[in-house]
Amino acid sequence: DSGVTQTPKHLITATGQRVTLRCSPRSGDLSVYWYQQSLDQGLQFLIQYYNGEERAKGNILERFSAQQFPDLHSELNLSSLELGDSALYFCASSVDLAGPNEQFFGPGTRLTVL
Amino acid sequence: GNSVTQMEGPVTLSEEAFLTINCTYTATGYPSLFWYVQYPGEGLQLLLKATKADDKGSNKGFEATYRKETTSFHLEKGSVQVSDSAVYFCALSATNQAGTALIFGKGTTLSVSS
Repeated sequence: DSGVTQTPKHLITATGQRVTLRCSPRSGDLSVYWYQQSLDQGLQFLIQYYNGEERAKGNILERFSAQQFPDLHSELNLSSLELGDSALYFCASSVDLAGPNEQFFGPGTRLTVL
Repeated sequence: GNSVTQMEGPVTLSEEAFLTINCTYTATGYPSLFWYVQYPGEGLQLLLKATKADDKGSNKGFEATYRKETTSFHLEKGSVQVSDSAVYFCALSATNQAGTALIFGKGTTLSVSS
């Protein structure tokens, strides 16, 4: 158990809908990261938050947004969903902002768009 | 840009065989390098890491050496077990003033039979 929790575990929805994925980092970790894992694209970095502020952005679509709240949990919002958004979404956390700090991964949320 | 290339799988071995999974990277600066492992139905776990050239990371019998001259970080284990069956990801940590992202390879599936 990494200490990172993600809810829900599974999510099935229809095209055009909007969903919210939730992540609670390990106690004491200030950085939260979101990754998307799909068969064709592999594991891709989406976005990083540190202590409530957005810090680094990867291949995140404009239809996707995220935020980190004062209690440090984070939410990833996916809107106008398309079939291709079906994937496993991982949240990870680390102690610090940068450097070779280990990122601890949650169990993931499997999103299926029908 | 930053990228990681690792050998495609699946890799199928018998118990006690020697394992090598090749990983090469392209990066600006001097990234930290990681191997993560993903067991079926779980999130990623850090297996080992190396933060500078010639560093050797090791854990649970697995080893990898950070080779700057060949931009490689190959994963090795002398004697694999059935319990090592998993997907292995090579990654580099790309850090700038804004934040940090892990850039992953596509993953290599290892299957060990008894």
